[in-house]
Amino acid sequence: ILNVEQSPQSLHVQEGDSTNFTCSFPSSNFYALHWYRWETAKSPEALFVMTLNGDEKKKGRISATLNTKEGYSYLYIKGSQPEDSATYLCAFNNQGGKLIFGQGTELSVKP
Amino acid sequence: GAVVSQHPSWVICKSGTSVKIECRSLDFQATTMFWYRQFPKQSLMLMATSNEGSKATYEQGVEKDKFLINHASLTLSTLTVTSAHPEDSSFYICSALHNRGINEKLFFGSGTQLSVL
Repeated sequence: ILNVEQSPQSLHVQEGDSTNFTCSFPSSNFYALHWYRWETAKSPEALFVMTLNGDEKKKGRISATLNTKEGYSYLYIKGSQPEDSATYLCAFNNQGGKLIFGQGTELSVKP
Repeated sequence: GAVVSQHPSWVICKSGTSVKIECRSLDFQATTMFWYRQFPKQSLMLMATSNEGSKATYEQGVEKDKFLINHASLTLSTLTVTSAHPEDSSFYICSALHNRGINEKLFFGSGTQLSVL
């Protein structure tokens, strides 16, 4: 059974704080690791697709790293803003398109 | 970015009735779509892979006669929950696979909250 774990389950930070959370996934048969941002009542929005060990991707204040050998990825948010409040999902992909999701980290940023 | 529309966003029905959920890719063709279910505080769980023009592929433990999937066109997949019961109450969400060369991407609908009374 393939298991994807995210921690923490929820996180409350103040505006301006930097934060990070973790996604753990199986290290065998790796194809890709996806990060999504999911705001309430909206569609999950793709942030990053990471495929190579050591990958580091950045989008504005958000960045992610990938370690496929040990099976983890970190998502970092620098200088959190209230609009960053959302659930951040990671998903492990060992075949094209078929994703196994973690339970998400719910981020709340207070002004 | 590409857009996937899912309807309805919520539905309340009586036990024993059937409910149809639609997933449309609005600005691209999707030969492959996916249906997920999410119970409160749990992960999105893949139910089935919907393939245009052929039968859907169901994940282990998902009853194909209970959750009917039809993908008759390149832009529309439907999930019908037949004879719904309270235990089928859940959040259902679809995604569509958009092939852009080697960088395929998934685009999601906004989900359907089903409540069966």
